[in-house]
Amino acid sequence: AQSVTQPDIHITVSEGASLELRCNYSYGATPYLFWYVQSPGQGLQLLLKYFSGDTLVQGIKGFEAEFKRSQSSFNLRKPSVHWSDAAEYFCAGNTGTASKLTFGTGTRLQVTL
Amino acid sequence: DAGVIQSPRHEVTEMGQEVTLRCKPISGHDYLFWYRQTMMRGLELLIYFNNNVPIDDSGMPEDRFSAKMPNASFSTLKIQPSEPRDSAVYFCASSPGSSGANVLTFGAGSRLTVL
Repeated sequence: AQSVTQPDIHITVSEGASLELRCNYSYGATPYLFWYVQSPGQGLQLLLKYFSGDTLVQGIKGFEAEFKRSQSSFNLRKPSVHWSDAAEYFCAGNTGTASKLTFGTGTRLQVTL
Repeated sequence: DAGVIQSPRHEVTEMGQEVTLRCKPISGHDYLFWYRQTMMRGLELLIYFNNNVPIDDSGMPEDRFSAKMPNASFSTLKIQPSEPRDSAVYFCASSPGSSGANVLTFGAGSRLTVL
């Protein structure tokens, strides 16, 4: 079955530290992959997306993600975390037009000062 | 662009009552999605429309749930009768579709509490 997996339910990092959130995918073909962020009481906001081409994609708020076919991964990174980055992060994937987006279970990020 | 607009933002109702959630997608978007978010089950796709036509409703929990999209600028999700286990945040999202992958824009959600 097509799916994305986020193995970490909860991560805590110190402000200013680097961040990496893990996402693994399982698709027959190369999927389209996304990272969304959800702040408390808010909807989901798109951080970045990967369709094809350059495997390192840049997003908003200083985030980036790298598509690694050999590891079936699409991990989200940020070199220096800010307290305002505390939120829940969702990895998602689909196979293109008119297909539904499948979400991972999310990773809750806590930032300590 | 005002984004995807959902109403109401919060709804508290009693078991057995009818609940109607509303969504206005982004103008020009061909696809509309209804998701439900709970702590136990995460984000679940309930149904999605393409050009106002329901394409996949396999995620709708049961016959108590129904969704309509009478025109390109409006959709409703109705629960009748509501039950406490329907308590969740319901999100509407839209996307431009056409060629390439869907990039969904989400509304702020409607938080439903059924007592």
